[in-house]
Amino acid sequence: NAGVTQTPKFQVLKTGQSMTLQCAQDMNHNSMYWYRQDPGMGLRLIYYSASEGTTDKGEVPNGYNVSRLNKREFSLRLESAAPSQTSVYFCASSEDWGSGELFFGEGSRLTVL
Amino acid sequence: TQLLEQSPQFLSIQEGENLTVYCNSSSVFSSLQWYRQEPGEGPVLLVTVVTGGEVKKLKRLTFQFGDARKDSSLHITAAQPGDTGLYLCAGPPPGGGADGLTFGKGTHLIIQP
Repeated sequence: NAGVTQTPKFQVLKTGQSMTLQCAQDMNHNSMYWYRQDPGMGLRLIYYSASEGTTDKGEVPNGYNVSRLNKREFSLRLESAAPSQTSVYFCASSEDWGSGELFFGEGSRLTVL
Repeated sequence: TQLLEQSPQFLSIQEGENLTVYCNSSSVFSSLQWYRQEPGEGPVLLVTVVTGGEVKKLKRLTFQFGDARKDSSLHITAAQPGDTGLYLCAGPPPGGGADGLTFGKGTHLIIQP
């Protein structure tokens, strides 16, 4: 019973490098989300996909892009990483937009040097 | 401005003691959720409160939603080391909107054996 799976769990990048965080859920959920978690800042929404085929900006979208590849998969791309993007990234899903419970992955810890 | 203010930010107590943590807002929420996050893991939903004045119990954890639906509390009786973690409250943005759940910054709880 995997739930929400994120890869990679850890990544170190140099400033200016690009990378993609992958996320997949096996619960047949319609909505998926990317959050970042920073000390003293809490969880902040980067992008979300209310349903397959749609994506929208959240609170802190600058420097990121997303792709809802299909109903299961939602990826987050950093085109040119900056030290300010050092964070722990969480993918989450919910049955429907606004339906309540979020199911989170285990997180991806990204360090940008 | 943080929509959901959690207090205290940090709490360290001995096993067997009781404690209460708070989640406050100046805005009315249609519902509030409480999540627990353990180190290296994603948040996991504990409870959702919907009705003003509602009290929900989960073993030694008691959750209350304020009558005016602007605040919530979590009371733990006879705390155990397994209760250690980051406790987050979250709710849908007042007035609707498409930004998903808004989270408080959390209370870091440590229960010492």
